[in-house]
Amino acid sequence: RKEVEQDPGPFNVPEGATVAFNCTYSNSASQSFFWYRQDCRKEPKLLMSVYSSGNEDGRFTAQLNRASQYISLLIRDSKLSDSATYLCVVPPMDSSYKLIFGSGTRLLVRP
Amino acid sequence: DAGVIQSPRHEVTEMGQEVTLRCKPISGHNSLFWYRQTMMRGLELLIYFNNNVPIDDSGMPEDRFSAKMPNASFSTLKIQPSEPRDSAVYFCASSLSPQPQHFGDGTRLSIL
Repeated sequence: RKEVEQDPGPFNVPEGATVAFNCTYSNSASQSFFWYRQDCRKEPKLLMSVYSSGNEDGRFTAQLNRASQYISLLIRDSKLSDSATYLCVVPPMDSSYKLIFGSGTRLLVRP
Repeated sequence: DAGVIQSPRHEVTEMGQEVTLRCKPISGHNSLFWYRQTMMRGLELLIYFNNNVPIDDSGMPEDRFSAKMPNASFSTLKIQPSEPRDSAVYFCASSLSPQPQHFGDGTRLSIL
């Protein structure tokens, strides 16, 4: 099983829609998680950190389900500018600096 | 504030040539990372420096790759000799011990 797995998508949704992505991880001892956003031909940028059960920032909500070992990212009221690839990131238990990046979920928001 | 600065943005060269990628981390950050991103393998950590000292180079593909950090404001990643399979986007990232990591714009490398 891969350390971090994501549905590659693409998720194609209309503006205003609510969309959710899941990410599963294999290390049950992982304590912190991140969602990064990467626009086409750009660098990854930190979107949200998830340290406990969840985190909310405006239209974005990240949730953690430790029992099932997955984290989710919910985007409400999708904007055209939300079109990007969303990377799920999990640090290994034995490292505070190493990040394991998922392969990303591509989101396309159409007018 | 200036972010992580990488140069060059694009590099196209013939196989066998030496390639040097450069990175200036964010001032005050004490951790620096070099990553490689390809469609097939995604984002992979190549090497991690803390306070200018290489801590983990287990991701460096082979001896053709080397990285240095002579001071807190500069790092290089060198490939010699380069091969077509080295073609990728190379990112440098920095952080203040150790998260979150801030990425540079990347160097898009093509080896012909």
